[in-house]
Amino acid sequence: LAKTTQPISMDSYEGQEVNITCSHNNIATNDYITWYQQFPSQGPRFIIQGYKTKVTNEVASLFIPADRKSSTLSLPRVSLSDTAVYYCLVGLTGANNLFFGTGTRLTVIP
Amino acid sequence: EAGVVQSPRYKIIEKKQPVAFWCNPISGHNTLYWYLQNLGQGPELLIRYENEEAVDDSQLPKDRFSAERLKGVDSTLKIQPAELGDSAVYLCASSLGTSGRVDEQFFGPGTRLTVL
Repeated sequence: LAKTTQPISMDSYEGQEVNITCSHNNIATNDYITWYQQFPSQGPRFIIQGYKTKVTNEVASLFIPADRKSSTLSLPRVSLSDTAVYYCLVGLTGANNLFFGTGTRLTVIP
Repeated sequence: EAGVVQSPRYKIIEKKQPVAFWCNPISGHNTLYWYLQNLGQGPELLIRYENEEAVDDSQLPKDRFSAERLKGVDSTLKIQPAELGDSAVYLCASSLGTSGRVDEQFFGPGTRLTVL
């Protein structure tokens, strides 16, 4: 079971870049790394997914080193609306290892 | 396009009473998930369906929880009888069910259950 370790919480000022690191030391060869965002009273929402190196989309970047034992979600120039819980998820949909963990609570300060 | 629909949004019941939650996934999504989320914790998978088949229900407390997905579309999660510790948010999610990759899961707003 590829469990993950993330910081419990982080604070950042508006306009700054935020990097949230996730450790997944026992990631399996076929596992993907997926990040979700969750606002209060809502279900989680997919942000980004990757397997290795770097992935970028319109909202975030995901950096994965060669050993894949960790990954970093990068949010450029955060705003107050980015205040949420961010979950790092490692695994395959078809396998019995979907584990969200406790996530990282990001608070963006004006 | 409509997202995942869940009802009710809130439910308050007394312990030992039955309760049921309903989920309508995104049209065309073959995979359906039920999660439980306690306050301050991440979602925990209860059961996963591929079409009509429950392919992963290892975390479902089968003595009191049951689920069904008739015709491979809508799904119902039931608790009978409810206990105080069942108070939580119950999330439903769906995905396309593409084999060999990790699907993006689309979540509903959840049902907040309070057991008194």
